[in-house]
Amino acid sequence: QKEVEQDPGPLSVPEGAIVSLNCTYSNSAFQYFMWYRQYSRKGPELLMYTYSSGNKEDGRFTAQVDKSSKYISLFIRDSQPSDSATYLCAMSAGGAQKLVFGQGTRLTINP
Amino acid sequence: DTEVTQTPKHLVMGMTNKKSLKCEQHMGHRAMYWYKQKAKKPPELMFVYSYEKLSINESVPSRFSPECPNSSLLNLHLHALQPEDSALYLCASSRDRNQETQYFGPGTRLLVL
Repeated sequence: QKEVEQDPGPLSVPEGAIVSLNCTYSNSAFQYFMWYRQYSRKGPELLMYTYSSGNKEDGRFTAQVDKSSKYISLFIRDSQPSDSATYLCAMSAGGAQKLVFGQGTRLTINP
Repeated sequence: DTEVTQTPKHLVMGMTNKKSLKCEQHMGHRAMYWYKQKAKKPPELMFVYSYEKLSINESVPSRFSPECPNSSLLNLHLHALQPEDSALYLCASSRDRNQETQYFGPGTRLLVL
């Protein structure tokens, strides 16, 4: 079993829809949770960073962490074609431990 | 400014060539990383530098040789690569090794013929 599981998709939704992206993990030591967006043939771009449990909102993006269920989510409201990309979850136990990435979910927003 | 720059953007090399990838950041970060990413896969960690010293080598073959000349620069020297080494090579940096937020560069797309 992988430490971090993420459905690779592809996921295709119409413009304006609410998108929900998810990752599950098995390592209860993970405390730091990140979402990266990666456009085709580009480097990953940090979207959201959350420490421990709870919600964090930034514009159209909301990140949720449920440590009791070992489950994290990224919600995108009012999705735009420019949101079409691969979304990678990443997490770490901290203390110089390396980042562990999910497989990435390929998302397409259709105009 | 959260910018990490990488050069070149694209590189084609033969199996007998020697080339270098370069990475630069001016955020004052003291940890820098090299990752390799194959198509439709997440980045795989190769090396970690902390305060200009190599702190992690993820059992990377010796044909890849990292170098950190100063706190802003990171190089990856390539020699006698194999076609399966073709990939996107990503550089990242963070405030220090205990800072989980890593900022990635745009990558160098490498093709080995």
